[in-house]
Amino acid sequence: KQEVTQIPAALSVPEGENLVLNCSFTDSAIYNLQWFRQDPGKGLTSLLLIQSSQREQTSGRLNASLDKSSGRSTLYIAASQPGDSATYLCAVAIYNQGGKLIFGQGTELSVKP
Amino acid sequence: EAQVTQNPRYLITVTGKKLTVTCSQNMNHEYMSWYRQDPGLGLRQIYYSMNVEVTDKGDVPEGYKVSRKEKRNFPLILESPSPNQTSLYFCASSLSLGGIGSGNTIYFGEGSWLTVV
Repeated sequence: KQEVTQIPAALSVPEGENLVLNCSFTDSAIYNLQWFRQDPGKGLTSLLLIQSSQREQTSGRLNASLDKSSGRSTLYIAASQPGDSATYLCAVAIYNQGGKLIFGQGTELSVKP
Repeated sequence: EAQVTQNPRYLITVTGKKLTVTCSQNMNHEYMSWYRQDPGLGLRQIYYSMNVEVTDKGDVPEGYKVSRKEKRNFPLILESPSPNQTSLYFCASSLSLGGIGSGNTIYFGEGSWLTVV
């Protein structure tokens, strides 16, 4: 059974730091991996999606990588800002089970001014 | 504006009283799904639908029903709610004809806080 783990569970950094969030999954048979952002009391916003055939995706200050063989993905945030404070979740779409999406428990990020 | 709309946003109900949480999207998406979010357990998928009249179980379907009679709506039905169904519920949708594997962005609703006493 696919399991998705995110480390660390919480992270606090000063403004301006570059940081890395980690996501690992146990079964490499995936369609894709997505990173989401969730603000308190809000829904999820999709940040980046990496297809299983891709190695990385970039959007602005965000860069996500995928190493399917080792079951790992990282989300790199450059020059962090207080507005980046949120919970970040990764999710994998399971291969050959078209609609199934498994989430990690998230990393709660706090960026201090 | 692209939206996934859930109602109600907040509800307190009693054990055994049937309730429906509605979900509607205005993007002509084929894929829709329901999740619940609980502290320490994260987001877990309840049901999903690849298209009209096509639904399937996620990881935690017990105690829930869904229907997909039209593309824009995907209601979540709790026939006989119990306190262990107290949770934050999210509806989501995506364009993808082939399911989320084809890589289309998933849009989430704002969530529905449900308390069963």
